[in-house]
Amino acid sequence: RKEVEQDPGPFNVPEGATVAFNCTYSNSASQSFFWYRQDCRKEPKLLMSVYSSGNEDGRFTAQLNRASQYISLLIRDSKLSDSATYLCVVKDYGQNFVFGPGTRLSVLP
Amino acid sequence: ETGVTQTPRHLVMGMTNKKSLKCEQHLGHNAMYWYKQSAKKPLELMFVYSLEERVENNSVPSRFSPECPNSSHLFLHLHTLQPEDSALYLCASSQVSGRTEAFFGQGTRLTVV
Repeated sequence: RKEVEQDPGPFNVPEGATVAFNCTYSNSASQSFFWYRQDCRKEPKLLMSVYSSGNEDGRFTAQLNRASQYISLLIRDSKLSDSATYLCVVKDYGQNFVFGPGTRLSVLP
Repeated sequence: ETGVTQTPRHLVMGMTNKKSLKCEQHLGHNAMYWYKQSAKKPLELMFVYSLEERVENNSVPSRFSPECPNSSHLFLHLHTLQPEDSALYLCASSQVSGRTEAFFGQGTRLTVV
């Protein structure tokens, strides 16, 4: 079983739509969780950290379910500029970051 | 200065060449990483240096040789590479403990001919 799994997509949605991505991780000892965004041929950039209580940043909401080892990202009112690959990232107790394969999103006009 | 800087941005090398990739971080972090990203594949962790000591080496071929002279600098020495080593090589830094995220450099796009 892969350490971090995501649906690769692509998700093709119209502008203004709400889209949700899911991610599961296998290491129950994982300590920190993140969503990164990666544009084509660019480096990954942090979108948001994910906290147990859930957190929101503008149009983006992240949720963590430790019991189910499941992380989600919700994007409301999608913009064309949201088109990218979204990477689920899990950090273990030490210093290792494990990346999921990413979910590709295309927001269409 | 940007947080994590990688040079060169692009590199084309022959299979018999020796070259080095350089990474520098200005964030005061104490862990640095090399990742490889091949086309349409997820990021693969290659090496981790924590407090200037190598703590992870994910079965990477010996033709890749990392060096971490201090907490701000990381190198990846390359020799006798194969065409399948062509990829985007990304450097990142972070703090060892705590919930700090990883910050990435812009990467070196390597083509082996």
